[in-house]
Amino acid sequence: QVQLVQSGAEVKKPGASVKVSCKASGYMFTSYFMHWVRQPPGQGLEWMGLINPTGGSISYSQKFQGRVTMTRDTSTGTVYMELSSLRFEDTAVYYCARVGSGSNEYFFHWGQGTLVTVSS
Amino acid sequence: QSALTQPASVSGSPGQSITISCTGTSSDVGNYDYVSWYQQHPGQAPRLMIYDVSNRPSGVSDRFSGSKSGNTASLTISGLQAEDEAFYYCCSYRSDNTRVFGGGTKLTVL
Repeated sequence: QVQLVQSGAEVKKPGASVKVSCKASGYMFTSYFMHWVRQPPGQGLEWMGLINPTGGSISYSQKFQGRVTMTRDTSTGTVYMELSSLRFEDTAVYYCARVGSGSNEYFFHWGQGTLVTVSS
Repeated sequence: QSALTQPASVSGSPGQSITISCTGTSSDVGNYDYVSWYQQHPGQAPRLMIYDVSNRPSGVSDRFSGSKSGNTASLTISGLQAEDEAFYYCCSYRSDNTRVFGGGTKLTVL
């Protein structure tokens, strides 16, 4: 069965960077795009960007352009999301989400989420 | 990049039907049949309920249905049950190859 297993919780200081991993299993890694979505405490879902595991092409939300980098390692079936210049408002649960079949325009499988806390 | 517009809250009694709206623009909801809906209970990851406007994944109750008219998509839940109480989010593809979520709607089952 499809599994997306994310790295553990992180605590970072303002201005630092954080790199969250999402290890995929149970399917052909290069066949499905992966997205990143975040959710600040008590708030809604926010789309951050996507990566095509095949060629590594990416699309980022304008909000995070210049601060976010999404990469993948096809040898381990892992995607990464790195966010730099962290601010207090970046405190959130970060999810990786794999698209479904067909249109590929929906998030069928989700990771368990990674809490990133930005605190001085 | 504005989020899609959803009502902050809706409520209904068990057995009733409710509809949650999701309003976008011609750059997203209006011109693409790529609207999906997610249910989220506290402390859990979101769960896909509807994709491509009106398709239901296997395992999702047929009490959940989706539709679209113009720039507004809708999620309807019929025969409300206590377990339906949760937050619901819509999401759409956007013309610049980004995706956008709605602000979320809290469903209360009275």
